[in-house]
Amino acid sequence: GDSVTQMEGPVTLSEEAFLTINCTYTATGYPSLFWYVQYPGEGLQLLLKATKADDKGSNKGFEATYRKETTSFHLEKGSVQVSDSAVYFCALQRYGGSQGNLIFGKGTKLSVKP
Amino acid sequence: GAGVSQSPSNKVTEKGKDVELRCDPISGHTALYWYRQSLGQGLEFLIYFQGNSAPDKSGLPSDRFSAERTGGSVSTLTIQRTQQEDSAVYLCASSLESQTSSYEQYFGPGTRLTVT
Repeated sequence: GDSVTQMEGPVTLSEEAFLTINCTYTATGYPSLFWYVQYPGEGLQLLLKATKADDKGSNKGFEATYRKETTSFHLEKGSVQVSDSAVYFCALQRYGGSQGNLIFGKGTKLSVKP
Repeated sequence: GAGVSQSPSNKVTEKGKDVELRCDPISGHTALYWYRQSLGQGLEFLIYFQGNSAPDKSGLPSDRFSAERTGGSVSTLTIQRTQQEDSAVYLCASSLESQTSSYEQYFGPGTRLTVT
């Protein structure tokens, strides 16, 4: 079945460091790919998405590129801030028919120190 | 506008009791999803309602779990004869839906269920 694998955390970085969180997926067809973020004490919210191969999603300085050849959707940010401390979830969605649910990775907890 | 709301925010129940969790989706969203977030299992899909179609129940972990969606809007997730392993945060999400497009799912704040 479809699945998402993301790097295990926790990840601890200093402010202004470069961030990469790896995410790979297994799916038939052409899923949409997402990164969701959960800040402390808050609900899940969409960070960025890409719906087809070679698309780049971006938001709040974060980027991820849909790589079909490597089945990957790695999350990157050039300079993290303390406010980026959160849990990040990679997810895929096969849309259409009755297959609209998201399949999530286990989540990666990021802590950014001043 | 208003987001997805869930009630109660916290629920503590004794093992063996039944519980009902409620979700109010964003107005106009035709798709509604239930997920469960627990330490051991991460985020798991439970059930999916799409418009007037039969729900996709493929993620429900046992026949103690059921859900309904009345009038295409509010949904209730019912857990019968609760067990300690049911302790988790239950998340509801809603979205627009299309056969050809993928729309963002908006998540509610969740209901934290503790089974003692």
